[in-house]
Amino acid sequence: DVKVTQSSRYLVKRTGEKVFLECVQDMDHENMFWYRQDPGLGLRLIYFSYDVKMKEKGDIPEGYSVSREKKERFSLILESASTNQTSMYLCASKESGSVYEQYFGPGTRLTVT
Amino acid sequence: GESVGLHLPTLSVQEGDNSIINCAYSNSASDYFIWYKQESGKGPQFIIDIRSNMDKRQGQRVTVLLNKTVKHLSLQIAATQPGDSAVYFCAYAGGTSYGKLTFGQGTILTVHP
Repeated sequence: DVKVTQSSRYLVKRTGEKVFLECVQDMDHENMFWYRQDPGLGLRLIYFSYDVKMKEKGDIPEGYSVSREKKERFSLILESASTNQTSMYLCASKESGSVYEQYFGPGTRLTVT
Repeated sequence: GESVGLHLPTLSVQEGDNSIINCAYSNSASDYFIWYKQESGKGPQFIIDIRSNMDKRQGQRVTVLLNKTVKHLSLQIAATQPGDSAVYFCAYAGGTSYGKLTFGQGTILTVHP
């Protein structure tokens, strides 16, 4: 089974702090994704990566950056956390090509105070 | 700025009833559709998928119906059980690069014993 893990389940940070959210997958998937999930808004794509050191902006990249130095690891960075970035953050991975099914991690609930 | 969150659609059923969860999509170029189930405190999990060259696909206790004419997707769960209580998301892809999925806002299914 594919396993996607996220470094923290719950995180509390202060406004202005730099925040790192880590995601690791164990299935050698090329593509990895970061979403945020807010009530009533579904999952919104922040950034995705189709290969090591490659990244593409999603629908809501403002205030975020990402890093993919190794195939199995995809990091989401909040350069200067703000209260409107309080949310559930979900990481996902999938094989490249025409396979669309994404495998999700358990999520990190981030609170910015 | 941030959008105001919306209330998710909800569906309440009795154990043993059949459930139907609906989803409308907007991109007529979509050629792949997927349903995810998200239990409380967990990431979304794959339930069933369907490609645009099909109009029906069945799994174990679940059936997905696709009506491309009206851009509508539904998930039918037979003999619903309390363990089916969760948020259900539809997602679709196609006409985009790298298999990005667009997610619906979700539907809360509550199954009463």
